[in-house]
Amino acid sequence: AQSVSQHNHHVILSEAASLELGCNYSYGGTVNLFWYVQYPGQHLQLLLKYFSGDPLVKGIKGFEAEFIKSKFSFNLRKPSVQWSDTAEYFCAVLNNAGNMLTFGGGTRLMVKP
Amino acid sequence: DTGVSQDPRHKITKRGQNVTFRCDPISEHNRLYWYRQTLGQGPEFLTYFQNEAQLEKSRLLSDRFSAERPKGSFSTLEIQRTEQGDSAMYLCASSPGGAGTDTQYFGPGTRLTVL
Repeated sequence: AQSVSQHNHHVILSEAASLELGCNYSYGGTVNLFWYVQYPGQHLQLLLKYFSGDPLVKGIKGFEAEFIKSKFSFNLRKPSVQWSDTAEYFCAVLNNAGNMLTFGGGTRLMVKP
Repeated sequence: DTGVSQDPRHKITKRGQNVTFRCDPISEHNRLYWYRQTLGQGPEFLTYFQNEAQLEKSRLLSDRFSAERPKGSFSTLEIQRTEQGDSAMYLCASSPGGAGTDTQYFGPGTRLTVL
């Protein structure tokens, strides 16, 4: 069975600090990975995705993630966070059939101005 | 707005009542998914449609839960004889489908409160 772990449940940063959110997955098939973000009062939005190819994936709003197969990880990074990045971030893995996402428990990020 | 829409956005009901939620996917998206999200958790997959066919329903939480997509466009999720443990956010997503791996786009959700 596939699973996703996000070890940081709450992260508090000051503006301009660098961000790295951890995501580890457990899945035996072809790995397709996603990061979604949920801003306060809004719905889940796609930040970035990895299907194949370059393991360093760039997404919207300056976010990037690196797929490291040997570590079963897909950590999300941003060099300099802004107050507007305050949100909850979810990592997810897609099953081989392409019809089911398994999400981690989410990381709630608060950026202090 | 051409995103996934859900109705209602909030539903308060008494224990034992039936509730039905509607999801309208992005136009021309063949696949439609239902997820449930409880407080402090990530979304949990419930079921999936390819056009009008419900291809995966083993993850529905109990036989009180059912979903339909009769014409391959909008979908409904029904919960019969609601229980307090059914209180959660119910999310709908859609994706284009077709060959290859595609991306799911989520709606705003329906928040259910069972009193």
